[in-house]
Amino acid sequence: AQKITQTQPGMFVQEKEAVTLDCTYDTSDPSYGLFWYKQPSSGEMIFLIYQGSYDQQNATEGRYSLNFQKARKSANLVISASQLGDSAMYFCAMREGWGSSASKIIFGSGTRLSIRP
Amino acid sequence: ETGVTQSPTHLIKTRGQQVTLRCSSQSGHNTVSWYQQALGQGPQFIFQYYREEENGRGNFPPRFSGLQFPNYSSELNVNALELDDSALYLCASSFGTGPEKLFFGSGTQLSVL
Repeated sequence: AQKITQTQPGMFVQEKEAVTLDCTYDTSDPSYGLFWYKQPSSGEMIFLIYQGSYDQQNATEGRYSLNFQKARKSANLVISASQLGDSAMYFCAMREGWGSSASKIIFGSGTRLSIRP
Repeated sequence: ETGVTQSPTHLIKTRGQQVTLRCSSQSGHNTVSWYQQALGQGPQFIFQYYREEENGRGNFPPRFSGLQFPNYSSELNVNALELDDSALYLCASSFGTGPEKLFFGSGTQLSVL
């Protein structure tokens, strides 16, 4: 069955330091997508980065990169040069399959990241 | 800002009542998904609508139902509200049902007393 595990309930990081948020996943489907979302206190889920299961290279989006280790089933998010505005909840998520029946995304329990000035 | 709008932003109901939440998807998107996020947890998938048809459902009872309209906006209806239905309800839109990124609204905070 699909499962996403985030083992870090909370993290504190000094401003301008890099931070890695851990995520492991479990699926038997060879076709899947992995996502990271940021949720500030306003509640909106903000898309950060996406990695497809067949992508050969790790995804990058500005200061965000996804360290995709397929054999280990891990998809850690790396934020370089953290900023105060990065303080938020971060969710790792996965979507299986393709086509009209491919639907739900499952989310992990989240990591609360707090950036210290 | 994603262009996905939800209304109302906050709602208070009593146990046993019915509620309707609304979502306008981003322009050009034909797929809408609904999620329930309890306090301190990740969002849980309720169901998805693609071209006005439900094409996927999570582990939620039938009293959770929905609609998608020709303009791809959507409603989530919950009958016979229970205390455990208190949560943030998030709507997300996308084009198609593949692994494309979802664009989320800011949610409706429902409190059931």
